Amino acid sequence: SAVISQKPSRDICQRGTSLTIQCQVDSQVTMMFWYRQQPGQSLTLIATANQGSEATYESGFVIDKFPISRPNLTFSTLTVSNMSPEDSSIYLCSVGWPTGELFFGEGSRLTVL
Amino acid sequence: AQTVTQSQPEMSVQEAETVTLSCTYDTSESDYYLFWYKQPPSRQMILVIRQEAYKQQNATENRFSVNFQKAAKSFSLKISDSQLGDAAMYFCAYRSKNDKIIFGKGTRLHILP
Repeated sequence: SAVISQKPSRDICQRGTSLTIQCQVDSQVTMMFWYRQQPGQSLTLIATANQGSEATYESGFVIDKFPISRPNLTFSTLTVSNMSPEDSSIYLCSVGWPTGELFFGEGSRLTVL
Repeated sequence: AQTVTQSQPEMSVQEAETVTLSCTYDTSESDYYLFWYKQPPSRQMILVIRQEAYKQQNATENRFSVNFQKAAKSFSLKISDSQLGDAAMYFCAYRSKNDKIIFGKGTRLHILP
């Protein structure tokens, strides 16, 4: 399994600002994903973070709003840009394991006022 | 497109009793993975059990077991000897060959002392 550390654990932000969430994995992994979980809802895939190239975004998510970096095989960041209250969610980093499952970080709870 | 359906938004079970959570999915693929994840109030997503579609034998992990019916596209989770620590949101998930994982909407499980 993998140990995944996410920072910050939680934050309260003002409308119009941006926040960057960091995800650190204790081993090299090929596949990293970013999910959003709105209050009381299931997980929705934002994008796949590709090492050395642009992230692959799901329908409804765009790079200008959610820029992602993946400088190496153990680290990724997700930025939530120009935040509005609708962006208040838990953001989860996950890694894909060769045996099929995903492992998740503890999530970052973001509240936008 | 693949879909995952959990028809029970909430369930309750008496401590020490057995409960079964339902999950159905839709896919045209023959090879895939299925998972059950648990999300307690701490929000960390924890893998409970995994099943590979090509394996006919139902997966078992201690008190947790699945009933995998490939033809019926059904993947239910049975929790035996329920404990207070089992109280959580449970998500059924499907992983396709393109590595994306799709989650159901979840079932909130309450354990009654």
